[in-house]
Amino acid sequence: EDQVTQSPEALRLQEGESSSLNCSYTVSGLRGLFWYRQDPGKGPEFLFTLYSAGEEKEKERLKATLTKKESFLHITAPKPEDSATYLCAVQPVSSNTGKLIFGQGTTLQVKP
Amino acid sequence: EAQVTQNPRYLITVTGKKLTVTCSQNMNHEYMSWYRQDPGLGLRQIYYSMNVEVTDKGDVPEGYKVSRKEKRNFPLILESPSPNQTSLYFCASSYRGGGYTFGSGTRLTVV
Repeated sequence: EDQVTQSPEALRLQEGESSSLNCSYTVSGLRGLFWYRQDPGKGPEFLFTLYSAGEEKEKERLKATLTKKESFLHITAPKPEDSATYLCAVQPVSSNTGKLIFGQGTTLQVKP
Repeated sequence: EAQVTQNPRYLITVTGKKLTVTCSQNMNHEYMSWYRQDPGLGLRQIYYSMNVEVTDKGDVPEGYKVSRKEKRNFPLILESPSPNQTSLYFCASSYRGGGYTFGSGTRLTVV
């Protein structure tokens, strides 16, 4: 069964304290892995797409990396405005390209 | 502005009363999808569509119907809503299944 697991469930950081969020996935084949940010009461906002092991994408203080079994979202010197829930999703090769499986998310709180 | 528009934002209804949540996108995206989000269960895909008249089931399709008669619209239909369909619903669209753009959500309560 295709599955996505994110850890930790919640993370509290001080402003400037770098850390990483983990997304482990079990799929028969990976078509793509996606990272989203979700603020309370809003729809998820697309951040990155990764397609193959070794690929990296960066945006401001965020950097996403991909291996054959997991992806990491590295947050460098976070600011309070980075506080949000970060969601990981995978698109299995075994399904139509419209299918997307989400993890439960990591809720990040950055304190000033 | 490129966006996905859902209506209504909030809806309280009674068990068994048919309802439709509308979704429209202005980006000419081929792919559209519906999700529900519940505490502890995360985002789960209900239905998705890869083009006009092409739809497929996600992980939790029971109790829902969709149609894609036009590229820009993808309504979600609950023929006979039940309390277990109380949830936060999101519509999303994307170009060929890449990163999705999500709507602002519809909070549905079925009493």
